[in-house]
Amino acid sequence: SAVISQKPSRDICQRGTSLTIQCQVDSQVTMMFWYRQQPGQSLTLIATANQGSEATYESGFVIDKFPISRPNLTFSTLTVSNMSPEDSSIYLCSARRTVEETQYFGPGTRLLVL
Amino acid sequence: AQSVTQPDIHITVSEGASLELRCNYSYGATPYLFWYVQSPGQGLQLLLKYFSGDTLVQGIKGFEAEFKRSQSSFNLRKPSVHWSDAAEYFCAVGPSSGGYQKVTFGIGTKLQVIP
Repeated sequence: SAVISQKPSRDICQRGTSLTIQCQVDSQVTMMFWYRQQPGQSLTLIATANQGSEATYESGFVIDKFPISRPNLTFSTLTVSNMSPEDSSIYLCSARRTVEETQYFGPGTRLLVL
Repeated sequence: AQSVTQPDIHITVSEGASLELRCNYSYGATPYLFWYVQSPGQGLQLLLKYFSGDTLVQGIKGFEAEFKRSQSSFNLRKPSVHWSDAAEYFCAVGPSSGGYQKVTFGIGTKLQVIP
């Protein structure tokens, strides 16, 4: 299995500011993903973080709002830009190795925007 | 496009009773299937997965799930529920072939366990 850590675990932010969430995996993985889980809802894929190239965004999510970096095979960041209260959510990092198809998740970052 | 339906948003069972959580999927071929559990304030933990082979899959914490191709279902079961099983359970489906491997999640079933 893969162990995934996220920082920060939670934050309270003011409207209009930005927050960068870090995701660290304990071993090299091929694929890393960022999900959003809004209150009372399921997980929605924001984007796939690609090493050395631009992330692949799902419909409804754009790079200007959610810039993503992935400098190597074990680390990625997600920035939530120009935040509004509607961005209050849990943001989850996820990863999958090449040799198996199980997708593992980090503990999540709980974001509250005031 | 693949999709997952969890018809029960909220289920309440008594401690010691049996449990079955329903999951139906839509996918053109045999998919990879997963059940995850999310305890309050926690991330998602993999309970079990089905890739191929035996259609009855054993997982952690005494859970099992059965893949039924004819019904496009992957229901999760436990013979005797413990209070610590109270959590939200997500069924997920992923593509079984190469290429872009996006996993789609159901809306989740919240399990309440009463004494």
